[in-house]
Amino acid sequence: SQQGEEDPQALSIQEGENATMNCSYKTSINNLQWYRQNSGRGLVHLILIRSNEREKHSGRLRVTLDTSKKSSSLLITASRAADTASYFCATLTGGGNKLTFGTGTQLKVEL
Amino acid sequence: DSGVTQTPKHLITATGQRVTLRCSPRSGDLSVYWYQQSLDQGLQFLIQYYNGEERAKGNILERFSAQQFPDLHSELNLSSLELGDSALYFCASSSTTGPYEQYFGPGTRLTVT
Repeated sequence: SQQGEEDPQALSIQEGENATMNCSYKTSINNLQWYRQNSGRGLVHLILIRSNEREKHSGRLRVTLDTSKKSSSLLITASRAADTASYFCATLTGGGNKLTFGTGTQLKVEL
Repeated sequence: DSGVTQTPKHLITATGQRVTLRCSPRSGDLSVYWYQQSLDQGLQFLIQYYNGEERAKGNILERFSAQQFPDLHSELNLSSLELGDSALYFCASSSTTGPYEQYFGPGTRLTVT
């Protein structure tokens, strides 16, 4: 079963614009992670935010976490064509190390 | 390159057959995870092994089994294959210490005809 729902399902923007993706989840978490997947290929780990953190930055990525609303957002600033991919949030919950993935957002960055 | 390797890249086989997918974790990682990605189910956790022992189980069918060997590589065995088993199968590994970022291999694309 899917823990998270991501919104929007698909997003198309121009190069240089910012892209924001949102993730909502259902249960308490230990941490939340964001992954990128280029068309049918392996997932690449982008960033991890712990449940006691509210915001985290990594290069052009900014992640926020609101545990009271059970939601997270991923902001990609100054997007590039190479950012075109699917983005997934994944939650790590207590009782194991399995990741539960959201449904993903397909991002297309056009030149 | 995540450091996780998976073989084969592609596999095409017929219904009823049995296949074995292989995964080598990143150097030093003791945990191995298997995931299935399909169009209708999305990314689903199947099973986790830690240093040779099963640690967690997810939505894994009884027709599927896995093991982790002393050299830490892992194999996922899929038997009595059905058309619906066609999917991308990913292996991931993680460090023994927290916070447990998982690093994914390139996947094996299984097509059952």
